[in-house]
Amino acid sequence: GAGVSQSPSNKVTEKGKDVELRCDPISGHTALYWYRQSLGQGLEFLIYFQGNSAPDKSGLPSDRFSAERTGGSVSTLTIQRTQQEDSAVYLCASSPSGLAGNNRRRTQYFGPGTRLLVL
Amino acid sequence: GIQVEQSPPDLILQEGANSTLRCNFSDSVNNLQWFHQNPWGQLINLFYIPSGTKQNGRLSATTVATERYSLLYISSSQTTDSGVYFCAVERTGGSQGNLIFGKGTKLSVKP
Repeated sequence: GAGVSQSPSNKVTEKGKDVELRCDPISGHTALYWYRQSLGQGLEFLIYFQGNSAPDKSGLPSDRFSAERTGGSVSTLTIQRTQQEDSAVYLCASSPSGLAGNNRRRTQYFGPGTRLLVL
Repeated sequence: GIQVEQSPPDLILQEGANSTLRCNFSDSVNNLQWFHQNPWGQLINLFYIPSGTKQNGRLSATTVATERYSLLYISSSQTTDSGVYFCAVERTGGSQGNLIFGKGTKLSVKP
């Protein structure tokens, strides 16, 4: 079946502009995660959605970052007033059941990422 | 928070050689996954292995949860095995279910 998809693949923007990144999880997966991979920080967790529950935003680095998930499926990560330090690869992952599940249903599957460059 | 340490950080192999990559973690875990990040940046699932041993072709993995480490074995390495290998864990009792990643092992397989 189809995997996790993300768009755009690449995004170049100017400092101060807003950007929106999109994630389409694997159909039927209730849990969705956003991570960020940058040279200095490695792979770090940003936000977690589980079904219709309120998201866990504890990993977001600042209030310029927000995310939503509509209809329990597609998610959008928005970065307002982008800064150069926001340049990174933004990765989305989904799992069948996340924290609510056990064993293999917690396995996370990653999309190809969006490479963001802020000039 | 939980610490995930991978070793070695870099590894260069001649095609056909075998290798072992190690992942140590500092707390009990619900989930442990090994990923291969290819040159295009895609994270590819290799194993879901919070405990026990699994094999998939030339790759196998063992996690000893009581001793808080996992090993990834690559046998008869090929140039296509090059890339970065990540170990990632989900801490038992964590409130998010998110994965904590190690810094990775960068593998280069020479023809």
